[in-house]
Amino acid sequence: DADVTQTPRNRITKTGKRIMLECSQTKGHDRMYWYRQDPGLGLRLIYYSFDVKDINKGEISDGYSVSRQAQAKFSLSLESAIPNQTALYFCATSDFNRDPTDTQYFGPGTRLTVL
Amino acid sequence: AQTVTQSQPEMSVQEAETVTLSCTYDTSESDYYLFWYKQPPSRQMILVIRQEAYKQQNATENRFSVNFQKAAKSFSLKISDSQLGDAAMYFCAYRVPNNDMRFGAGTRLTVKP
Repeated sequence: DADVTQTPRNRITKTGKRIMLECSQTKGHDRMYWYRQDPGLGLRLIYYSFDVKDINKGEISDGYSVSRQAQAKFSLSLESAIPNQTALYFCATSDFNRDPTDTQYFGPGTRLTVL
Repeated sequence: AQTVTQSQPEMSVQEAETVTLSCTYDTSESDYYLFWYKQPPSRQMILVIRQEAYKQQNATENRFSVNFQKAAKSFSLKISDSQLGDAAMYFCAYRVPNNDMRFGAGTRLTVKP
């Protein structure tokens, strides 16, 4: 969905480096999420934010941190990247105020490789 | 913890035929939502269809429909008149209001011309 953008789209880095993945949305949604996707495991939630002042840990938050700089921006950081953080990372948004199903809409994904 | 199981890692269908992808979930909640997402080779996650648990009528979106069996905790996706563009990974997902969404491991669908 072009309304949710992620940068970079691909990144190769080395063990121990700090990495930031950025997500922006123009949908006006209040809620934002970060997932990682590994082969055979589907998507797993890392962090989520229901509004600018509300940040919550997901299923697999260890080794990650986030920042909700504005309603439209939600960044994911790997303070010291390790090889098992190699994965496809997705940002998603939802609008609970207008959609009771709280359906999530995804960005195009960032493929991160940690050597 | 809620879990979502997709028992078919891979499925194939002939173009123009119908295929059904299975999904079961485990929950003690009565109010929840179910989703099917499609992930083509472009890797974009695309919403296919969604179902509110309180609705007895099965959701339908063009060639896509679901068979929602609440008592059996089953939520299968039927694709009619399959097209080459339907080839993708399909993920079933479950969500309780104001809680995180849980995904199944996915089913890879191949469409044969």
